[in-house]
Amino acid sequence: GAVVSQHPSWVICKSGTSVKIECRSLDFQATTMFWYRQFPKQSLMLMATSNEGSKATYEQGVEKDKFLINHASLTLSTLTVTSAHPEDSSFYICSAILDSHGYTFGSGTRLTVV
Amino acid sequence: DAKTTQPTSMDCAEGRAANLPCNHSTISGNEYVYWYRQIHSQGPQYIIHGLKNNETNEMASLIITEDRKSSTLILPHATLRDTAVYYCIVSPGGTSYGKLTFGQGTILTVHP
Repeated sequence: GAVVSQHPSWVICKSGTSVKIECRSLDFQATTMFWYRQFPKQSLMLMATSNEGSKATYEQGVEKDKFLINHASLTLSTLTVTSAHPEDSSFYICSAILDSHGYTFGSGTRLTVV
Repeated sequence: DAKTTQPTSMDCAEGRAANLPCNHSTISGNEYVYWYRQIHSQGPQYIIHGLKNNETNEMASLIITEDRKSSTLILPHATLRDTAVYYCIVSPGGTSYGKLTFGQGTILTVHP
């Protein structure tokens, strides 16, 4: 079935550096993708909604200059965490709309900032 | 989006049916009921969704009350691999997909 491929599955970076997470839709076109963040023992929190060819819509409290989202094609959306700090350490998950059952999710990226 | 209420945790014996309830009393007419589950350190996995009628697939059954204010997800023969956090979410579907808002979900523990 249709899959969203998310890479990397985990990454460790130094404080102050930037990290890019990719989310690709396989076998289908994703006009809209969603980015979530999940802290330990908490639920998923929506960060932003990205639409192909336009600017992302960020949820309240999410810094758009820190979490850069690019959705330049119908099969690829990227999230770049700029100037990462330890408090940005989290599990980041992307999602795309899939008509057959609503939404499909990537496998997630575990980011650790040291 | 309408909010949902789920029990924080539930236990189930392996091989028995797991019945996970969800209240969504403020659901709108165009909102579907979606169920997802998340196994530790993985992305959520789709289970089933429905609008008004009961639904069944290879994973589970979804029973929606006639007034649509609550639903029950049924895993007919739970296995240890079904241990996960189960999320009940209501959201517009069809041609009006919106963002999914996750609650805290139900931690289902299946024990031998």
